Amino acid sequence: AAGVIQSPRHLIKEKRETATLKCYPIPRHDTVYWYQQGPGQDPQFLISFYEKMQSDKGSIPDRFSAQQFSDYHSELNMSSLELGDSALYFCASSPTGEDTDTQYFGPGTRLTVL
Amino acid sequence: QKEVEQDPGPLSVPEGAIVSLNCTYSNSAFQYFMWYRQYSRKGPELLMYTYSSGNKEDGRFTAQVDKSSKYISLFIRDSQPSDSATYLCAMSVGGAQKLVFGQGTRLTINP
Repeated sequence: AAGVIQSPRHLIKEKRETATLKCYPIPRHDTVYWYQQGPGQDPQFLISFYEKMQSDKGSIPDRFSAQQFSDYHSELNMSSLELGDSALYFCASSPTGEDTDTQYFGPGTRLTVL
Repeated sequence: QKEVEQDPGPLSVPEGAIVSLNCTYSNSAFQYFMWYRQYSRKGPELLMYTYSSGNKEDGRFTAQVDKSSKYISLFIRDSQPSDSATYLCAMSVGGAQKLVFGQGTRLTINP
């Protein structure tokens, strides 16, 4: 079965640089979520999109922005990177209908800020 | 205090044992309850999903929800070394809203 695809899988950046993370949801899933997981921490919700519109916003820094495109893929843009942004970033997707609350996670992008 | 509390362990049991993992929560608005398994440096994998009080069984896994006590459990029967992972409980209020996770319990099954 198709899964959530994230790219790149690993990313190394310097402080104050920018990064763009991409997420391709499972086919026919129209809701996308972004989570950040620090070392030894549980995933923390950042932002979500439904039908290309932002549907919810969590603890996402103002330096970060995201959008969902017409093909439902999503991108997380991170600017002025800080050392504390080093983490695993997961994208999840969910379908419409009765299973809309089941979120399926991608493999994650490991971001290291030096 | 976190909305969802989960004992981080670590928990180490012999192969074949029954494992019990638990979470408590404070937000009575939570309606949907999930258990994820996460191997090191991998994405969380959905194991069980339920929205009603009671038990739900899937193979060796049983999810139990007690909304009156705000307590959920995951039982693993006939545990295998391949079950060694971090187990995360997660909850949402529904309507495709964000998941709120517990801290995760690191489980090791010893052969």
